[in-house]
Amino acid sequence: EAGVAQSPRYKIIEKRQSVAFWCNPISGHATLYWYQQILGQGPKLLIQFQNNGVVDDSQLPKDRFSAERLKGVDSTLKIQPAKLEDSAVYLCASSRVGGTVNTEAFFGQGTRLTVV
Amino acid sequence: GESVGLHLPTLSVQEGDNSIINCAYSNSASDYFIWYKQESGKGPQFIIDIRSNMDKRQGQRVTVLLNKTVKHLSLQIAATQPGDSAVYFCAEIYYNQGGKLIFGQGTELSVKP
Repeated sequence: EAGVAQSPRYKIIEKRQSVAFWCNPISGHATLYWYQQILGQGPKLLIQFQNNGVVDDSQLPKDRFSAERLKGVDSTLKIQPAKLEDSAVYLCASSRVGGTVNTEAFFGQGTRLTVV
Repeated sequence: GESVGLHLPTLSVQEGDNSIINCAYSNSASDYFIWYKQESGKGPQFIIDIRSNMDKRQGQRVTVLLNKTVKHLSLQIAATQPGDSAVYFCAEIYYNQGGKLIFGQGTELSVKP
């Protein structure tokens, strides 16, 4: 079974620029998560999709971050404009179905964003 | 300016010894508690989970203990190996919120050969 794919692996941008991250979840997984992980901290949930609907985006800074999951498969996370404090690893994860027992979330390797 | 990360708690053990990693939680509404292992440059990897109505669950070389009275979770690793060196996170999942998965603070485990 192929894992969660993320790209790019690394990205360096200047502040106020825009950036987009892409995630391809495991085939058949209905739930997709985006996390922000700042160095030395645990992953922070930004947004959670079930199929192409948003389940939770309470921690997403909506003035600059946006995410979509068209057709309920791949997802993109965008930051516009970026700030220095957005420097972090952005992790995508997927699970078979959220809201049922014994679901395991599988994580991609993440995209390391550096804002200079 | 640039964000400064928190200093992770660290645990250093000798190869072959048992390791105990602790986690405190505050929300009693969690359905499951999960331990994840994160190696450098990789995403978190599921280790073991425990339902909130259980107090112990065993896996291969790992045991998770849940004490709901004091809201404490622990991960015990038997015969710790160098490959166990990583950051370990506890996490909570809420099924009444569509499978919302929330991570706690991690602990960095270092295994000395």
